[in-house]
Amino acid sequence: NAGVTQTPKFQVLKTGQSMTLQCAQDMNHNSMYWYRQDPGMGLRLIYYSASEGTTDKGEVPNGYNVSRLNKREFSLRLESAAPSQTSVYFCASPKREGKGEQFFGPGTRLTVL
Amino acid sequence: AQKVTQAQTEISVVEKEDVTLDCVYETRDTTYYLFWYKQPPSGELVFLIRRNSFDEQNEISGRYSWNFQKSTSSFNFTITASQVVDSAVYFCALSEAGAGGSYIPTFGRGTSLIVHP
Repeated sequence: NAGVTQTPKFQVLKTGQSMTLQCAQDMNHNSMYWYRQDPGMGLRLIYYSASEGTTDKGEVPNGYNVSRLNKREFSLRLESAAPSQTSVYFCASPKREGKGEQFFGPGTRLTVL
Repeated sequence: AQKVTQAQTEISVVEKEDVTLDCVYETRDTTYYLFWYKQPPSGELVFLIRRNSFDEQNEISGRYSWNFQKSTSSFNFTITASQVVDSAVYFCALSEAGAGGSYIPTFGRGTSLIVHP
């Protein structure tokens, strides 16, 4: 079992470019989350998906869209990247719909110039 | 207002010292879950412990111990006889019920622990 995988690991974009961050989990969990981590800010929830076919906004959703493609995959899209979106992005999938520990992907370090 | 407050931004200790990382949380729910995660310099996030709101028993795991007190809304983490390998950022997190049945996590801003040899 790989747990949670994310691609890419690193990405540099120019302002206005778009990209999609991919996330997949092989643990058969219902819930999946996207976070961003900025220095001194901890992890902030961008979007989450409680189950296949549902998505909801988290604390910082502006500038992002998500797709829960199936039970395994949850992608995060930046339509028009801005320097303020420079961050490390983590995908996570918790046990027991958030009541249990979260399994995190390795992270994507994104720089927007 | 922050739901999870880790007031200590950075703590610096010398190896073998004991150190306590504070976590204070805020919630109106009676059912919730508390967690600690470790993020070493390599960047991955590692789960350490989970506590539910109905279980106030303290826990010890090797050099790590956790003190959960509902009366003060605190879930503090103590490392005994710290080691250089304990150097990391530690995050406290709270999960409460949200829409759709999922429990939505909120993380504190983290405490950076530096253990000097």
